[in-house]
Amino acid sequence: NAGVTQTPKFRVLKTGQSMTLLCAQDMNHEYMYWYRQDPGMGLRLIHYSVGEGTTAKGEVPDGYNVSRLKKQNFLLGLESAAPSQTSVYFCASRRGGLSTDTQYFGPGTRLTVL
Amino acid sequence: SQELEQSPQSLIVQEGKNLTINCTSSKTLYGLYWYKQKYGEGLIFLMMLQKGGEEKSHEKITAKLDEKKQQSSLHITASQPSHAGIYLCGADNGNKLVFGAGTILRVKS
Repeated sequence: NAGVTQTPKFRVLKTGQSMTLLCAQDMNHEYMYWYRQDPGMGLRLIHYSVGEGTTAKGEVPDGYNVSRLKKQNFLLGLESAAPSQTSVYFCASRRGGLSTDTQYFGPGTRLTVL
Repeated sequence: SQELEQSPQSLIVQEGKNLTINCTSSKTLYGLYWYKQKYGEGLIFLMMLQKGGEEKSHEKITAKLDEKKQQSSLHITASQPSHAGIYLCGADNGNKLVFGAGTILRVKS
């Protein structure tokens, strides 16, 4: 099992450009998440999904959109990138919503917006 | 909303020394997760605690959840350079986890 994978690993964008980050999991998990990690601010939840075809806003959703067309994939889109979106982005997945369901993380995508 | 406070924010220890990292919640914890992150990498799951008074160990790392289920501690015995990284606690909050800001651990050899 590959677990949770993220594509790409690194990306540099210019302000106003758009891009999509891809997250894939092979554990048949229902729940998937997108976080951003910034120095001194820990992990902040952007959007999440509790099943195929569903999405919900997290703590910092502005400027991002997501889609979960297939159970194994969760896409994060930036329509018009801004320098404030420079960050490390982590995807995670979880079997379900029970407190005993461990959340597993991908390796991260380092995004720089110039 | 639930908030987690970790302390200390960072610490430097001499190799071989013991250390403790704390995680305090603003609400009762129904599931508390500990993760480790090496610089530039993803988060690795360490342990999960659910019951008041519960204690789990893995190699030289022990995690405890207090009886009132509002505080957890992570204790490392005889630290090694391989223990260096960022330790984060996460609390189950319904459909998602909320995380503390993390504790940066450096181990001097």
